Amino acid sequence: GAGVSQSPRYKVAKRGQDVALRCDPISGHVSLFWYQQALGQGPEFLTYFQNEAQLDKSGLPSDRFFAERPEGSVSTLKIQRTQQEDSAVYLCASGPRGAYEQYFGPGTRLTVT
Amino acid sequence: GQQLNQSPQSMFIQEGEDVSMNCTSSSIFNTWLWYKQDPGEGPVLLIALYKAGELTSNGRLTAQFGITRKDSFLNISASIPSDVGIYFCAGQLSLNTNAGKSTFGDGTTLTVKP
Repeated sequence: GAGVSQSPRYKVAKRGQDVALRCDPISGHVSLFWYQQALGQGPEFLTYFQNEAQLDKSGLPSDRFFAERPEGSVSTLKIQRTQQEDSAVYLCASGPRGAYEQYFGPGTRLTVT
Repeated sequence: GQQLNQSPQSMFIQEGEDVSMNCTSSSIFNTWLWYKQDPGEGPVLLIALYKAGELTSNGRLTAQFGITRKDSFLNISASIPSDVGIYFCAGQLSLNTNAGKSTFGDGTTLTVKP
């Protein structure tokens, strides 16, 4: 079946612009995660949804970052007033309820100039 | 916060050689995971470990969950060119409201020379 898809795959934003990154999880997956991966580093947890409920947003680096999953399926990560330090790959992962398994999408590479 | 120290940072090996990499943590984890990431792709799960002392294999891959619950290793036997990539360890605390929240190491980059 279809895996996790993310769009856009690449995004270039000027400093100060707002961006919205989309994640389409695997159909039926309850859990959805966002991670930020800087160049040469491992993914870092941003936030976690179980269905439409955002259960953990402890990894969001500032109040410029906002995530939503209003119908418990597609999720959007929004970054307001982007800064150069926001440049990274943003990974989305989904998983079945109560399972360790996380299936990652290909990521969105955000470059802030 | 929790940190995972993954080593070595990079490895250059000859095709056919065995590879070993490990991960240590200052904190206990209940689940250890090993992922492989190819350029331009997201990480792909290779092996998951649930119990301290557990040894699990997946083809040429073998991983162990350390008995202290603070470390894990991954071995790859008889490496082949397609093993090239970045290998990440990740730890999870428990399956509750933070279910699946993973802490990742910074990866081991593997290069295999034919």
